[in-house]
Amino acid sequence: GQNIDQPTEMTATEGAIVQINCTYQTSGFNGLFWYQQHAGEAPTFLSYNVLDGLEEKGRFSSFLSRSKGYSYLLLKELQMKDSASYLCAVSPSNDYKLSFGAGTTVTVRA
Amino acid sequence: DAGVTQSPTHLIKTRGQHVTLRCSPISGHKSVSWYQQVLGQGPQFIFQYYEKEERGRGNFPDRFSARQFPNYSSELNVNALLLGDSALYLCASSLAPPGLAGEQYFGPGTRLTVT
Repeated sequence: GQNIDQPTEMTATEGAIVQINCTYQTSGFNGLFWYQQHAGEAPTFLSYNVLDGLEEKGRFSSFLSRSKGYSYLLLKELQMKDSASYLCAVSPSNDYKLSFGAGTTVTVRA
Repeated sequence: DAGVTQSPTHLIKTRGQHVTLRCSPISGHKSVSWYQQVLGQGPQFIFQYYEKEERGRGNFPDRFSARQFPNYSSELNVNALLLGDSALYLCASSLAPPGLAGEQYFGPGTRLTVT
């Protein structure tokens, strides 16, 4: 089976930085995804890591360590619109489906 | 270009009834996956179809079935509805074939309420 863990909630101040950790234990590995989901809306793609290291895309960065089964999503210069749920998802090898964590609800306060 | 579309947006059904949810993928995408998302949880994989064939199935009972049509649109059918089937049903399409990880684009979902 697949086991993906991430914190339930995080709160941060506008303009600050927040790091959302994700640990996973899966039968094989074919990439790790981060999605953002606003309440009542569909998940939208943020980042994809398949090799170890840091991927940077504007204010968002994602890191992966395959040997540790660990990833994090870094949100910089937080804005109110970043208040959302952030989903960590793993694609097991030879299997196209995504296994999602329960999501981390980030609340940005003024 | 249009994104992934799903219909209906909202649906209210009674226990024991049957429901059909529909999904149209992004033009050119041949992979369609279905997910169930219960409030407060991440999406759970139900089915994956590629080139009209089932390529993966999650841990859901046989009451759940799906199919993909020649135009790559897809239907998810749920029979004998239970209260626990109340959830947001998401459809996602991708350019990547099975076995290759690729970005999945999600539709807006169908909110199913079973009373």
